[in-house]
Amino acid sequence: GENVEQHPSTLSVQEGDSAVIKCTYSDSASNYFPWYKQELGKGPQLIIDIRSNVGEKKDQRIAVTLNKTAKHFSLHITETQPEDSAVYFCAASLGSTSNTGKLIFGQGTTLQVKP
Amino acid sequence: DGGITQSPKYLFRKEGQNVTLSCEQNLNHDAMYWYRQDPGQGLRLIYYSQIVNDFQKGDIAEGYSVSREKKESFPLTVTSAQKNPTAFYLCASMDYKETQYFGPGTRLLVL
Repeated sequence: GENVEQHPSTLSVQEGDSAVIKCTYSDSASNYFPWYKQELGKGPQLIIDIRSNVGEKKDQRIAVTLNKTAKHFSLHITETQPEDSAVYFCAASLGSTSNTGKLIFGQGTTLQVKP
Repeated sequence: DGGITQSPKYLFRKEGQNVTLSCEQNLNHDAMYWYRQDPGQGLRLIYYSQIVNDFQKGDIAEGYSVSREKKESFPLTVTSAQKNPTAFYLCASMDYKETQYFGPGTRLLVL
């Protein structure tokens, strides 16, 4: 079946450094790629998303890049802060989201930002 | 205050017992989803519903059942046939831009 691979599984950075999380997807028809942040014991919160018609999107300290040819997309967090510490999930739509809205999720990355 | 609510926050199931997890949304979204999350893993789709009175199986539907009698509500029943029900259960709804929003989750534990 279709899948999404996410790396690394854990990431530790110093406050102020940048963090990069990478995902690879298998479904060539995927056209929507959201990123979620999940704090301990809570539901995931959408932090940024990108659609297949653009290659990059930025929102303050967070950016996402998409390479459709290679089926890669990445999350970049600059000037990391301790409150950025959480589990981050990438996801890719299964085919076109206009069909079912189904998403395939990566395994998650635990980000630790050390003060 | 719009959003998705799930109850209870914690739920304990005895062997052989069916339990029902509640999911309510006041966002006027048509589509709703149930996911299961196990430690160190991503989210896996149990069931989804794109419209009232209709729902479809996801990747791990065995041992679960749902209903969608109202637009606002999408309850999930974990039946006694689900042999490993301990997990964190997440409900989501999807807006017109195809973005999914999640509730706070229910943690199910087996006694």
